[in-house]
Amino acid sequence: QSVLTQPPSVSGAPGQRVAISCTGSSSNIGANFDVNWYQQLPGTAPKLLIYGNTNRPSGVPDRFSGSKSGTSASLAITGLQAEDEADYYCQSYDSTLSVVVFGGGTKLTVL
Amino acid sequence: QVQLVQSGAEVQKPGASVKVSCKASGYTFSNYGITWVRQAPGQGLEWMGWISVLSGNTNYAQKLRGRVTLSTDSSTNTAHMELRGLTSDDTAVYYCTRGGMGGMDVWGQGTTVIVTS
Repeated sequence: QSVLTQPPSVSGAPGQRVAISCTGSSSNIGANFDVNWYQQLPGTAPKLLIYGNTNRPSGVPDRFSGSKSGTSASLAITGLQAEDEADYYCQSYDSTLSVVVFGGGTKLTVL
Repeated sequence: QVQLVQSGAEVQKPGASVKVSCKASGYTFSNYGITWVRQAPGQGLEWMGWISVLSGNTNYAQKLRGRVTLSTDSSTNTAHMELRGLTSDDTAVYYCTRGGMGGMDVWGQGTTVIVTS
C-alpha cells in the first residue's frame, strides 16, 4: 500500500464542498516536507493542482485549496462542478525512504 | 510554450528492455530536474526516479534499482528512461515530468508500454 493514505472515493453534488485527506507520518508530511496535489482527468496526464501545501499554479481556479497540519494534508474543492470529476493524488517526500511518495489516489464523483 | 513530448507506444516481450524518450522545449532544460512516473492500468501513480539535468545525479525507487537508468542529453534537450528485464508488471503508461519533490509542473503526454509474449 501507499506511504500516503487517501480515501479511495469521495462524492458531492454540484455546488457543494468536498475535502480529500492525505495522511502520512513523521518521516514525510510530519517532517515538514511539502505536499503537492495533482488532478487527473479521465484518459489524460496528471496536472499539478496545488504545490507547497497551499499554492495554486497559474490558471487553477481558487475553488481549489490546500492545507496541511501535523502528519496530514487536505485538498478542498468548493462550488463543485461536473468538470471536477477526476482522480486526485497527493505527493510528498519521505526522508526514511529518501524517495518521492504518492498517495493511492481518490476518485471524485460529482453526483 | 513549455512542453514535454514523449516517444511513441512500445510493445515488448518479457525479458526485453525499453527506452522511452522525452523531449523538452520552451524552457532552459538544465534549470530543472526530470522525474519519471508510471501508472499501471487502473492503478495509481508510481514514482520511478529523478535525475538532475545539471549534475546528472539520480535517485531511483527501491523496487526498480538495478533495472532502470535515467539519463539526459543536453545537446538535444531530451531525457531518457531505460527499463530492463521487463515483466508483465511493467505494463503501464510512463510519464516524464519537469520537477521533483517540490512539485511536477509539466507532464509529458505519456508513453504506453505493453509487455506481452
